[in-house]
Amino acid sequence: RKEVEQDPGPFNVPEGATVAFNCTYSNSASQSFFWYRQDCRKEPKLLMSVYSSGNEDGRFTAQLNRASQYISLLIRDSKLSDSATYLCAVVTSGTYKYIFGTGTRLKVLA
Amino acid sequence: EAGVTQSPTHLIKTRGQQATLRCSPISGHTSVYWYQQALGLGLQFLLWYDEGEERNRGNFPPRFSGRQFPNYSSELNVNALELEDSALYLCASSYGTGNEKLFFGSGTQLSVL
Repeated sequence: RKEVEQDPGPFNVPEGATVAFNCTYSNSASQSFFWYRQDCRKEPKLLMSVYSSGNEDGRFTAQLNRASQYISLLIRDSKLSDSATYLCAVVTSGTYKYIFGTGTRLKVLA
Repeated sequence: EAGVTQSPTHLIKTRGQQATLRCSPISGHTSVYWYQQALGLGLQFLLWYDEGEERNRGNFPPRFSGRQFPNYSSELNVNALELEDSALYLCASSYGTGNEKLFFGSGTQLSVL
């Protein structure tokens, strides 16, 4: 089983739609969680950290479910510019290895 | 504030040669991470350096190696290049506590012919 798994998609949604992605992790000792956005063949850019209590940044909401070992990203009112690949990153306590999922492709359609 | 910088942007080598990739972290960051991203694939963890020491490495053969200098910049060396080493190599830096965000450079595209 992979350490971090994501549905590769693509998720094709119309503008204005709400879309959610999940990312599951296998190591219960995972301590830190992040969402990144990557545009085609460019470097990943940090979207947001994921906190135990959940957090929101504008149209983006991130949640952590430790019991079921997954994190989620919700995007409301999707824009064309949200089209990208969304990567989750998980850091395991003690190793400080940032393990990335393979990413979920989102296409927002006009 | 300058971000993570990587050089060169593109590198073309032939099979069997050696490649050297360079990375300068954000000022104040002590940790440097290297990742390999082959076309259509996810980021594969290669190496982590912190305070000049190799702290962890991924499942890559020993011909992938590197080092971190006293100014925290880092070098990734790939010896005996193989065709499948063709990929985007990304460097990222952080404060090194494991709770900090990683910030990435724009990468070096390595092509092995």
